[in-house]
Amino acid sequence: AQSVAQPEDQVNVAEGNPLTVKCTYSVSGNPYLFWYVQYPNRGLQFLLKYITGDNLVKGSYGFEAEFNKSQTSFHLKKPSALVSDSALYFCAVRESYNTDKLIFGTGTRLQVFP
Amino acid sequence: NAGVMQNPRHLVRRRGQEARLRCSPMKGHSHVYWYRQLPEEGLKFMVYLQKENIIDESGMPKERFSAEFPKEGPSILRIQQVVRGDSAAYFCASSPPGGQPSGTGELFFGEGSRLTVL
Repeated sequence: AQSVAQPEDQVNVAEGNPLTVKCTYSVSGNPYLFWYVQYPNRGLQFLLKYITGDNLVKGSYGFEAEFNKSQTSFHLKKPSALVSDSALYFCAVRESYNTDKLIFGTGTRLQVFP
Repeated sequence: NAGVMQNPRHLVRRRGQEARLRCSPMKGHSHVYWYRQLPEEGLKFMVYLQKENIIDESGMPKERFSAEFPKEGPSILRIQQVVRGDSAAYFCASSPPGGQPSGTGELFFGEGSRLTVL
């Protein structure tokens, strides 16, 4: 079964510093990977996805993610964190190629300190 | 282009009552997914529906929970005889029609319905 793991419950970073939120995946076949962000009491907003092509994927709000097949990882990154980036981040994988159903990780809370 | 609309945003029920959560997908979308988020937990898949069909209900509890997506009107997630453990945020997501996954691939989420059971 397809799955993703987010090993960190929380990541703390100072404003202006680079940030990384980790995600590893376990899939059979080619992975379709996604990152979503959730602000307090809101729904999930799509940030970026990897389907095929370049391993470095650029998304919304200055975020990017690097697909690494050898390490089965899809870490979310941003060169310079903002306080407003503080939120809950979810990594997700599509269950199979013929459905849009996503399997989510447990989430990582990002806290950016001024 | 309106996004995924969920209502009510907040719902309070007493144990034993029924909860009905509604979801209108994005315009042009005919696939609906329901997810549940328990406090301090991630999102758990519940059910995937297309118009008038349940495609995948592998995440639905066997009792008290049901979902429908009629030909006309919103999708409804129904919880009968609610218990305190049903307190959670319930999110609906939609995607476009077609036998293959949508060209963009992602699901579009609503703002959620937060159920509190007293």
